[in-house]
Amino acid sequence: EPEVTQTPSHQVTQMGQEVILRCVPISNHLYFYWYRQILGQKVEFLVSFYNNEISEKSEIFDDQFSVERPDGSNFTLKIRSTKLEDSAMYFCASSDQLGDEQFFGPGTRLTVL
Amino acid sequence: AQSVTQLGSHVSVSEGALVLLRCNYSSSVPPYLFWYVQYPNQGLQLLLKYTSAATLVKGINGFEAEFKKSETSFHLTKPSAHMSDAAEYFCAVRANTGNQFYFGTGTSLTVIP
Repeated sequence: EPEVTQTPSHQVTQMGQEVILRCVPISNHLYFYWYRQILGQKVEFLVSFYNNEISEKSEIFDDQFSVERPDGSNFTLKIRSTKLEDSAMYFCASSDQLGDEQFFGPGTRLTVL
Repeated sequence: AQSVTQLGSHVSVSEGALVLLRCNYSSSVPPYLFWYVQYPNQGLQLLLKYTSAATLVKGINGFEAEFKKSETSFHLTKPSAHMSDAAEYFCAVRANTGNQFYFGTGTSLTVIP
């Protein structure tokens, strides 16, 4: 069964460093998403991506964040200068139709020290 | 704006007992509602979804949920809990415009042998 994969499973970084979180969505999906979950809090939407551009983004997704689909399979989330409050679980998701079920990856736990 | 509230961050049931996980939504228009489950170290997996068809929705692993507009609820139930049901359960509503999902804070289900 096709699934969304994410790497790494756990990333530890120093405050101010850049991190790139990687995702491989399901191959025939067209819509891609990033969500995050700070420990003990809700899963929050960050950004959606379609047709090689951002289609929606939340207030959380400020200039420190960027997304890219560098090739036909990967979808990345970059945080330019990490802050302590960026520590969270980051989930990638994909869907094949607008508004349909989103398939989630296992997440990357980011720890900023 | 859409949102969901999950009452009870932790629920414990005995094996074989009824499982009831509560979710209330706020939406100005008929919503698209979802229940996801997360097993340890895994991604979010769709249990079931409501998309304005039948109000009683059956999902995987014996779970079902009933959409009650009058109560703005979409509670998840399973007649008989199994040890393998122990997981984190998330209720989500899809935005009326756009594609982002709004998640609840999650309910951790413990099944006692």
